[in-house]
Amino acid sequence: GAGVSQSPRYKVAKRGQDVALRCDPISGHVSLFWYQQALGQGPEFLTYFQNEAQLDKSGLPSDRFFAERPEGSVSTLKIQRTQQEDSAVYLCASSHRGRNTGELFFGEGSRLTVL
Amino acid sequence: QKEVEQNSGPLSVPEGAIASLNCTYSDRGSQSFFWYRQYSGKSPELIMFIYSNGDKEDGRFTAQLNKASQYVSLLIRDSQPSDSATYLCAALYSSASKIIFGSGTRLSIRP
Repeated sequence: GAGVSQSPRYKVAKRGQDVALRCDPISGHVSLFWYQQALGQGPEFLTYFQNEAQLDKSGLPSDRFFAERPEGSVSTLKIQRTQQEDSAVYLCASSHRGRNTGELFFGEGSRLTVL
Repeated sequence: QKEVEQNSGPLSVPEGAIASLNCTYSDRGSQSFFWYRQYSGKSPELIMFIYSNGDKEDGRFTAQLNKASQYVSLLIRDSQPSDSATYLCAALYSSASKIIFGSGTRLSIRP
């Protein structure tokens, strides 16, 4: 596609529910990132993939968060047993370079609200 | 201490004036620095990047980097109302996998 596509755009979950957020990067982009952005804050790094390899997951806040990119293209961020503090916009970004150069193309984000 | 720090603002600048946005970073190994613009309710978009000490100009935008002081800035000349947005400073950490963002500075250009 022309840009990074994320779905769903909006998700309301009850506390304790599991959610899955999908990211479809720009075709051919090797690197893929997930960020969490709370209201009024900058994006917080969660995890980074190069092709199907998850090279850095140091930003995942707990073991309830899991990300995968099994075929090196589409990625899914899964949050188990959601908590209210998980409410945020989850941004996916991709980069065409194998080595991360910081030139990221962001999707529109998935806004998660946990009640 | 946050890894990338910015004044949250809001910074209010009259139309036509120069807007100056500042950022400091903690990792001396960081090599690359970026300014992203984020309109309300939208996702960030890259407007400038800088790797070397000194100034880099692109149209109305000038990025400045001082690695000794661990300081990055963005100047916007001839500010327009369409420049009103949150500006995010970001650093590519020396591990070359993480891109760390600051909390952003809200800029408002008043007519």
